[in-house]
Amino acid sequence: SAVISQKPSRDICQRGTSLTIQCQVDSQVTMMFWYRQQPGQSLTLIATANQGSEATYESGFVIDKFPISRPNLTFSTLTVSNMSPEDSSIYLCSVGYSYYEQYFGPGTRLTVT
Amino acid sequence: EDQVTQSPEALRLQEGESSSLNCSYTVSGLRGLFWYRQDPGKGPEFLFTLYSAGEEKEKERLKATLTKKESFLHITAPKPEDSATYLCAVQADDYKLSFGAGTTVTVRA
Repeated sequence: SAVISQKPSRDICQRGTSLTIQCQVDSQVTMMFWYRQQPGQSLTLIATANQGSEATYESGFVIDKFPISRPNLTFSTLTVSNMSPEDSSIYLCSVGYSYYEQYFGPGTRLTVT
Repeated sequence: EDQVTQSPEALRLQEGESSSLNCSYTVSGLRGLFWYRQDPGKGPEFLFTLYSAGEEKEKERLKATLTKKESFLHITAPKPEDSATYLCAVQADDYKLSFGAGTTVTVRA
């Protein structure tokens, strides 16, 4: 399995500002993903973070709102831009060494006021 | 579109009272079915991946089974520390996971 860390673990932000979330893995991984878990709901895939190229976004998520970087095989960032209270969620990084094993980080709990 | 439905939404058990959780799915070309455990305020913890109908996997008091339309997670003689939300997810021809809403299990001592 992987040791995955996320920073920050939680934050309270004001409407209209942006927050960058970092995801660090203890070993090189092929696949990295970003998910959102809204209060009381299950997980929704935001995008796949591709190393060396632009992220691949799911329907309903756009690069201007959720820009993603992946400079190497162990690190990625997700920015939540121009935040509104509807962006209050837990944001989770996930990594996969193969199709059949995907591990999640501890999550970043974001509250927008 | 992939669909994953978990039932029941919530399950309250007495310690030692065995039970099963259900995950029914509709997906074109199932690559794998994943089970995770999630504790409050934490990220999901990987439990199992099942690949084909008839497959079974076990981990401590948990046993997962898979058919062509659904998966079951059996909890045998649960303990209070088994209290958590259990998430099911399907993986189709690509690598993406589609999650169900989860079953929240509470085990009373």
